[in-house]
Amino acid sequence: GAGVSQSPRYKVAKRGQDVALRCDPISGHVSLFWYQQALGQGPEFLTYFQNEAQLDKSGLPSDRFFAERPEGSVSTLKIQRTQQEDSAVYLCASSFRASGIYNEQFFGPGTRLTVL
Amino acid sequence: GESVGLHLPTLSVQEGDNSIINCAYSNSASDYFIWYKQESGKGPQFIIDIRSNMDKRQGQRVTVLLNKTVKHLSLQIAATQPGDSAVYFCAENNPQGAQKLVFGQGTRLTINP
Repeated sequence: GAGVSQSPRYKVAKRGQDVALRCDPISGHVSLFWYQQALGQGPEFLTYFQNEAQLDKSGLPSDRFFAERPEGSVSTLKIQRTQQEDSAVYLCASSFRASGIYNEQFFGPGTRLTVL
Repeated sequence: GESVGLHLPTLSVQEGDNSIINCAYSNSASDYFIWYKQESGKGPQFIIDIRSNMDKRQGQRVTVLLNKTVKHLSLQIAATQPGDSAVYFCAENNPQGAQKLVFGQGTRLTINP
């Protein structure tokens, strides 16, 4: 596709359920990022992949959050035992080049997660 | 600590007027700054960027100004149009360090007809 795609666009989960959010980056993009955006706030960094390697996961709020990118393309963000405070929009972004170089991050439309 | 903030949470302007959105940053190590536009239900969309070795950069109807002395960034939108209504975020990055973008809270720009 022409841009970053994410699925599902909307997810409603009961507290305690596990969820999996998918990101399809722009083809050929080396870097992939996940951000969490609470209502009325700016996006906050969660984790970063360079190809299949997870180089930075300092933003993951707890060990209930797990991300993977096994083949260096599609990525999945998994949240186990969801809590109400996990309700947010989860944004995925990709960029063409690797770290150390100025390059634009292209964002997907996000997945809006609501935990009841 | 690292933080990027905005002076005003909302801005309302008349159609056709110029808009100025401000941003303050605190991490002096940041050397790359980006403005994003986010419309309702969409992801942030790149508008314009600037590196720390520049103090001004112009695009189509937009200009970004960087004042490193006071750690201030601004986005100027000329002849504001209804389609400019959105939330605008500034973000900072240090490509030689952590790859993450650090975003401010955002300014909601509303265009009055």
